Amino acid sequence: GDSVTQMEGPVTLSEEAFLTINCTYTATGYPSLFWYVQYPGEGLQLLLKATKADDKGSNKGFEATYRKETTSFHLEKGSVQVSDSAVYFCALGRNRDDKIIFGKGTRLHILP
Amino acid sequence: EPEVTQTPSHQVTQMGQEVILRCVPISNHLYFYWYRQILGQKVEFLVSFYNNEISEKSEIFDDQFSVERPDGSNFTLKIRSTKLEDSAMYFCASSTPRGGNEQYFGPGTRLTVT
Repeated sequence: GDSVTQMEGPVTLSEEAFLTINCTYTATGYPSLFWYVQYPGEGLQLLLKATKADDKGSNKGFEATYRKETTSFHLEKGSVQVSDSAVYFCALGRNRDDKIIFGKGTRLHILP
Repeated sequence: EPEVTQTPSHQVTQMGQEVILRCVPISNHLYFYWYRQILGQKVEFLVSFYNNEISEKSEIFDDQFSVERPDGSNFTLKIRSTKLEDSAMYFCASSTPRGGNEQYFGPGTRLTVT
């Protein structure tokens, strides 16, 4: 069945560092791919999404590119801020199905 | 901006008791979902609900669980007889297009079964 694997955390970086959080997926066909973020004490927020191969999703300086050939959707940001500290979830879904399948989440700590 | 709300934020209950977790989805959304996250584990799909009936459920969603939309705004998850392993964060979500697309999540209810 479909699944998502993302890098283990926590990830600790200094402010203004470059961020990569790796995510790979297993699925047949062409699912939609998402990154959700959970700030402390809050719910899951959609950060960005991509619906087909080679699409790039972007939001708030974060980017991820849907790579069909490597079944990956890595999250990147060029210069992180303390306010980016949160848990990041990679996920996939299909228009024809109901559920979203999540990875385990990666906790990100940004030090000032 | 409209948002999904959930109450309570934290519920403590004794094993064997019934609990009802409440959610108010975004008002013009038609599809509703419950997910849970056991501490340190993945967010897992429980059930989806559309047009006043369950449209899909996972193997976790056994006879101990039920969902209901008792009025035009609330969406509830009931656990009839809680077990220790039901301790988790429960997230409600809603969406307009059918699944797989943008689901909007609430802040979650942390359920602790003692």
